Amino acid sequence: QLQLQESGPGLVKPSETLSLTCTVSGGSISSSSYYWGWIRQPPGKGLEWIGSIYYSGSTYYNPSLKSRVTISVDTSKNQFSLKLSSVTAADTAVYYCARQVYDSKSWAWFDPWGQGTLVTVSS
Amino acid sequence: EIVMTQSPATLSVSPGERATLSCRASQGVSSDLAWYQQKPGQAPRLLIYGASTRATGIPARFGGSGSGTEFTLTISSLQSEDFAVYYCQQYNNWPRTFGQGTKVEIK
Repeated sequence: QLQLQESGPGLVKPSETLSLTCTVSGGSISSSSYYWGWIRQPPGKGLEWIGSIYYSGSTYYNPSLKSRVTISVDTSKNQFSLKLSSVTAADTAVYYCARQVYDSKSWAWFDPWGQGTLVTVSS
Repeated sequence: EIVMTQSPATLSVSPGERATLSCRASQGVSSDLAWYQQKPGQAPRLLIYGASTRATGIPARFGGSGSGTEFTLTISSLQSEDFAVYYCQQYNNWPRTFGQGTKVEIK
């Protein structure tokens, strides 16, 4: 059974870089059938897709965050990572990693998800 | 960017009753729509993809319908474990976008 687990600091100072890692277990991140994505959820609010990566390193980013986001993959560790630079309080959220499934046309829905990790931006 | 609008924001339903949730896309997304359930303190769980196909292990009381810009999630007979927030997500265009959610609460 595939499982994803986010890890990283729970507190980041304004203007610094948020860094999170997602460790995949029970399956290979190098599968050709999936992308791997990051989604966030500010407290009490809805979901926002941040970006997704293929095992080869190919990425898609949300244009609203693209200038500040870098997603990378380490197939040897079965992990992928998120870096978000120049953070502000508006970046405070629960950050989820998830597997993104390919349907007949494109990279589609997210399943399963990690449990999520709360990152607070505060001095 | 495709904007997904869900209604109502909150739905009050008695156990055993039927719940109907709506999701509207700002432009056509064909049948490229998924539904998720999120309980407090938990990650979202995939319920429906392709607008109407139940994900593995999802009970038959959950049904999805629609195409283009109008979609519906129906829960035929609400069980106690179904009280949660439900989100729709389109995957027809980048960026992938979610609705703001509908909270299904006990009446």
